[in-house]
Amino acid sequence: GAGVSQSPSNKVTEKGKDVELRCDPISGHTALYWYRQRLGQGLEFLIYFQGNSAPDKSGLPSDRFSAERTGESVSTLTIQRTQQEDSAVYLCASSTSPSEPFPRSPLHFGNGTRLTVT
Amino acid sequence: QKEVEQNSGPLSVPEGAIASLNCTYSDRVSQSFFWYRQYSGKSPELIMSIYSNGDKEDGRFTAQLNKASQYVSLLIRDSQPSDSATYLCAVNPDFQKLVFGTGTRLLVSP
Repeated sequence: GAGVSQSPSNKVTEKGKDVELRCDPISGHTALYWYRQRLGQGLEFLIYFQGNSAPDKSGLPSDRFSAERTGESVSTLTIQRTQQEDSAVYLCASSTSPSEPFPRSPLHFGNGTRLTVT
Repeated sequence: QKEVEQNSGPLSVPEGAIASLNCTYSDRVSQSFFWYRQYSGKSPELIMSIYSNGDKEDGRFTAQLNKASQYVSLLIRDSQPSDSATYLCAVNPDFQKLVFGTGTRLLVSP
């Protein structure tokens, strides 16, 4: 497809279970981002990949969160031992590589995964 | 101080009026600035990007950037009810991260 694809679109899980969220970026986009958006809130940066390298993991809320990326394609965000406060929409975005010195290319977002922890 | 600040609103304007949305940012080295629109329950979509001081126009939208004042704005001319959404300002303080404001909710009444 032409856009960023995320799956599943909705996920309901019980507290304490692990979940895996998937993102398929636009072909050729080397940069990939994960954001979290709680209900009525702004976008919270989680992690950034350049290729399969994650130079900035500062946004991951706790060690229950991890992410990986295969080459310059699919990325998976894993949340272990989910808590109710993890309930949110998880958005993935991709862009072409930033050029130096600037500007950087804009992000293209997927439709998100709505995670509900009961 | 938040990296990117926006008034949460709602900003209410009548149809046909000009809507003015404002954003300030804290990191002076930021070079790229974006406005995204987000409809309720949907993902953000890019409206405008701006990199140089001054104005940039695209249809009914004008982005304005003032790096000295660390201020970026979005003007929407001839506002339509379909423009009702949350508008997110995004700034990159370094080339690896794009930081979003919490957004301003715009309501355009017929």
